[in-house]
Order: sequence, then structure tokens, then C-alpha cells
Amino acid sequence: DIQMTQSPSSLSASVGDRVTITCRASQSIRSYLNWYQQKPGKAPQLLIYSTFNVQSGVPSRFSGSGSGTDFTLTISSLQPEDFANYYCQQSKDFPLTFGGGTKVEIK
Amino acid sequence: EVQLVESGGGLIMPGGSLRLSCVASGFTFSNTYMSWVRQAPGEGLEWVGRTRTKADGGTIEYAAPVKGRFTISRDDSKNTLYLQMDSLKTEDTAVYYCTTYSHSPYYYLGLWGRGTLVTVSS
Repeated sequence: DIQMTQSPSSLSASVGDRVTITCRASQSIRSYLNWYQQKPGKAPQLLIYSTFNVQSGVPSRFSGSGSGTDFTLTISSLQPEDFANYYCQQSKDFPLTFGGGTKVEIK
Repeated sequence: EVQLVESGGGLIMPGGSLRLSCVASGFTFSNTYMSWVRQAPGEGLEWVGRTRTKADGGTIEYAAPVKGRFTISRDDSKNTLYLQMDSLKTEDTAVYYCTTYSHSPYYYLGLWGRGTLVTVSS
């Protein structure tokens, strides 16, 4: 199975900060990397698919990059509604696997 | 409205069985690959399984922890996805989400339901 490792597991940031979350795969997954946002008590929502494609309706402050084994989710200017948990997920092979998550908290 | 609505969760004893349902609306269910994902309390996301459309052979993939105990099926006439869970263990306690699975050329879990909680406890 492909292992996905996210870092950091949590971070504290202020509104307006630039935030970067990284995700590393245990083997190359080419560009088959997706990002999800989950707010407390809610279902996850797709943010970015196939590394850098922003899902319809997602604000442009969210962006993704990377390839192979190393990927990044960037929030260019953190907004109050962005405080949530973020998960990466590989879709190159079954079983689909997720990173452990990154909790973005208010500083 | 495009949505997925899960039901069927509840409290069940270890070794018991439960069937979850997921009713889809607002899109062509029969043309859509579907998946189940679960989340144990306070934990991260874990993929459970995925079914292709009948037109694409209806192949089903399962995660190792549930293979042989869980069965995914679909009834396209009812726009409904099912998850039959047998021989339940305490570690199966989780919120179970139904999702669409987009494929070709991009592969992702697009639309998610609100989830249904399954608690396995004596």
C-alpha cells in the first residue's frame, strides 16, 4: 500500500497568513494527489484534484503543487472560514490512502 | 439538488450485521462510480471500497480491513448504494460516508454525503 505522510499534523496561524501543508507519498504517485477540507462535524469536501486542479467553487487562495512523491497545499491568505482539517489522498493505486491530516487552528 | 444521503447507522454488538444505504439524487447514478469512506471518532479518513458502474463491469475493490466482511452493492433502479457489514468489530466504529468516485482522466472522491454513525459495542 502507498503510505501518505502529511506535515505538520497541526499548525497555528493568523488571518491573512500564508499557510503551506506538505504531503509525501511512500512511492511515486505521479500527479494522482487530491486535497480535502473537513470542518468539525461536517463531511470532507474536495478542494484540489490531480495535484493542482481547483474544484469548482473553491476560492482561488487555495492552490496545489508537486509531483512524484512530494506535494504541497498552499492557502495564500488564510481566512476565518479556512480553519479546519486538511487531508491529502492518493488515487494512483488501490487501496486509496489518506494522509493523517493537518489541523489548521487560529493563533 | 445534487446530494447523497446515508442511512442505516446505529448501535450494534460485536459480531453483528448492519446494512447502510446511500440514496443519490441530482445526477445520473447509474453512470457514476461510487465509494465508501469511514472515519473513526477523532481519527482520520479511511477508504473502505469502491464500485464501478455496471456498464464498466461492476468491479468492486475493498480495503484489506473489511475484505471478506463488508459487501458493497448498488441498485441503479433506486439510485441507491449499499454497504452490507457483517462480523462487525469494535474497530469498525466510525462515521461512514458515501461518495462519488470520479474517474478518467481525473480520479477523486467528489461528492460526499453527511455520513451515518456506526457504533460497535457490547
